[in-house]
Amino acid sequence: SQELEQSPQSLIVQEGKNLTINCTSSKTLYGLYWYKQKYGEGLIFLMMLQKGGEEKSHEKITAKLDEKKQQSSLHITASQPSHAGIYLCGADEEGGGSNYKLTFGKGTLLTVNP
Amino acid sequence: GAGVSQTPSNKVTEKGKYVELRCDPISGHTALYWYRQSLGQGPEFLIYFQGTGAADDSGLPNDRFFAVRPEGSVSTLKIQRTERGDSAVYLCASSLSSANTEAFFGQGTRLTVV
Repeated sequence: SQELEQSPQSLIVQEGKNLTINCTSSKTLYGLYWYKQKYGEGLIFLMMLQKGGEEKSHEKITAKLDEKKQQSSLHITASQPSHAGIYLCGADEEGGGSNYKLTFGKGTLLTVNP
Repeated sequence: GAGVSQTPSNKVTEKGKYVELRCDPISGHTALYWYRQSLGQGPEFLIYFQGTGAADDSGLPNDRFFAVRPEGSVSTLKIQRTERGDSAVYLCASSLSSANTEAFFGQGTRLTVV
């Protein structure tokens, strides 16, 4: 089965700073999902990437999937305390664009200090 | 309701007891998923329903775990003879379909087996 490594495991930044979280796979990523999770809450969908070289942005968050489709990065520009939480990457195991059987990384805990 | 609802939000049970966890998906969503998240880990896939049928139950850890979705809406995850290792947050998600669509997660049920 697929394994996803996320780095760093945790990150503390000052408000206003930029940051990047990485997600690396042992296999080709057919579908790569980024979610955010706050303690006691469910996962909030951020973005889905499918094509090599694809890049998507929403507000101050940009996600990229490399050309080889084995690594994805999540970049936050001018971080705010509202960005704090656990960021999880998940990969489609089936390779058919289905989102029902995702393998997740262990998550990156982001703290943003005011 | 507007989102995926899971009840109870917290459940403490004694080792060996039977528990039921309930998931109310978003109205109209045909696909429903159960995941389990242990402390410090990403969610792990348990089972996927398309309509009333379990399309993939390969993630269920053993035969003590069972899930139903009799009318294609509400789902119940049932755990018999609970063990301390079953302690985790059980997450439910639903989506319009299983292909290339966003999955919406509930806030989870935190199960503690003592």
